[in-house]
Amino acid sequence: GAVVSQHPSWVICKSGTSVKIECRSLDFQATTMFWYRQFPKQSLMLMATSNEGSKATYEQGVEKDKFLINHASLTLSTLTVTSAHPEDSSFYICSATDRNNEKLFFGSGTQLSVL
Amino acid sequence: RKEVEQDPGPFNVPEGATVAFNCTYSNSASQSFFWYRQDCRKEPKLLMSVYSSGNEDGRFTAQLNRASQYISLLIRDSKLSDSATYLCVVTVANDYKLSFGAGTTVTVRA
Repeated sequence: GAVVSQHPSWVICKSGTSVKIECRSLDFQATTMFWYRQFPKQSLMLMATSNEGSKATYEQGVEKDKFLINHASLTLSTLTVTSAHPEDSSFYICSATDRNNEKLFFGSGTQLSVL
Repeated sequence: RKEVEQDPGPFNVPEGATVAFNCTYSNSASQSFFWYRQDCRKEPKLLMSVYSSGNEDGRFTAQLNRASQYISLLIRDSKLSDSATYLCVVTVANDYKLSFGAGTTVTVRA
């Protein structure tokens, strides 16, 4: 079964609205979670790294005020796309590691379509 | 230059054929290498790690060439279920900050 649960799987929203995506580790404590974005026929691009209880580290070119990441507990990280626009339409996917960084698990991804 | 580059394909092959493709990486300090499989709009799934000595897992063979900075994946006796996009993944250190290639699409036809 899935060890990282991500939802929603699909989101269709109007331009200007905010969308929250959740990523939960189901049977382990995820001290670090990663958020990726993937445009069609392109590679997964790391957006940010979040560590439980601290601020996320954003990759160059990713607006931290637009993509709000919260990792308030060891089992939950959220990504909020604020004031979404059509160009934010993409496949967003999270991944998580356990305390020992022994394994990496991916969520099932969220396809965001902004109209 | 991109950190990880792959031939996007698509590679269209008949069932039973052998297909192989490479992936080049730019950072000579890269330490760990993986092949992931991704089906359309799904999460990537680890296919296999790539070891320095090369390794095989059933019909899949992966090789690493550090001197030329590339890894390869070979699929023997292709099955229809092998149709997918294969992602080359590289990491510099064991911190799981992965660098992904854009993927190579393989389509196996009956």
